Amino acid sequence: DIVTTQSPDSLAVSLGERATINCRSSQSVLYSSDNKNYLAWYQQKPGQPPKLLIYWASTRESGVPDRFSGSGSGTDFTLTISSLQAEDVAVYYCQQYYSAPHTFGQGTKLEIK
Amino acid sequence: QVQLVESGGAVVQPGRSLRLSCADSGLTFSTSAMHWVRQAPGKGLEWVAVISNDGTKKYYADSVKGRFTISRDNSKNTLYLQMDSLRVDDTAVYYCATGGDVRVNWYYDLWGRGTLVSVSS
Repeated sequence: DIVTTQSPDSLAVSLGERATINCRSSQSVLYSSDNKNYLAWYQQKPGQPPKLLIYWASTRESGVPDRFSGSGSGTDFTLTISSLQAEDVAVYYCQQYYSAPHTFGQGTKLEIK
Repeated sequence: QVQLVESGGAVVQPGRSLRLSCADSGLTFSTSAMHWVRQAPGKGLEWVAVISNDGTKKYYADSVKGRFTISRDNSKNTLYLQMDSLRVDDTAVYYCATGGDVRVNWYYDLWGRGTLVSVSS
């Protein structure tokens, strides 16, 4: 099974500043046949289901603000929020969907400093 | 608006069984792989199981293998999770999710609101 690990576990950033969350998979999630990284990022606010933000490691879901961006390839990935807004306070998860079980990272709790 | 609605959550004793359902109001259920994901209170997300669009392929997390069974009825647009030999550590909100694609290995862009299963003596 692919192990997915995030860092840090929690993060406090000032409004308007950049937030960066890292995700590492224990093996590559880059599928050679289509050259896509099978890695997604989700945002979860209290009492709500997760919401898809980024898929294929760097493709923003429709309606997601462009301050959210994803990067990386192979085993190392990053979610960046370029200018933190109050409504971005949430827990963020990465997930590999390269092969079942589709493991999630442990989550990163993002707060306002 | 396409929705996934879970039901069937309850308080049950250890060792008992429970069946969860997930109703899909959309038009693409029969062409979509479907997943169950759970979240224990105050904890992170844990993938549980997936079933292919035609029901022929099923995969499970090691933590539920041999105890849980995923199934679907495409005529009813409904996904199921039969949970047997429940344990205290199965206590969680159970979400169904899908990417609306026939492929099992696909991201999830639609989630239900979840149903709570509490296993306690």
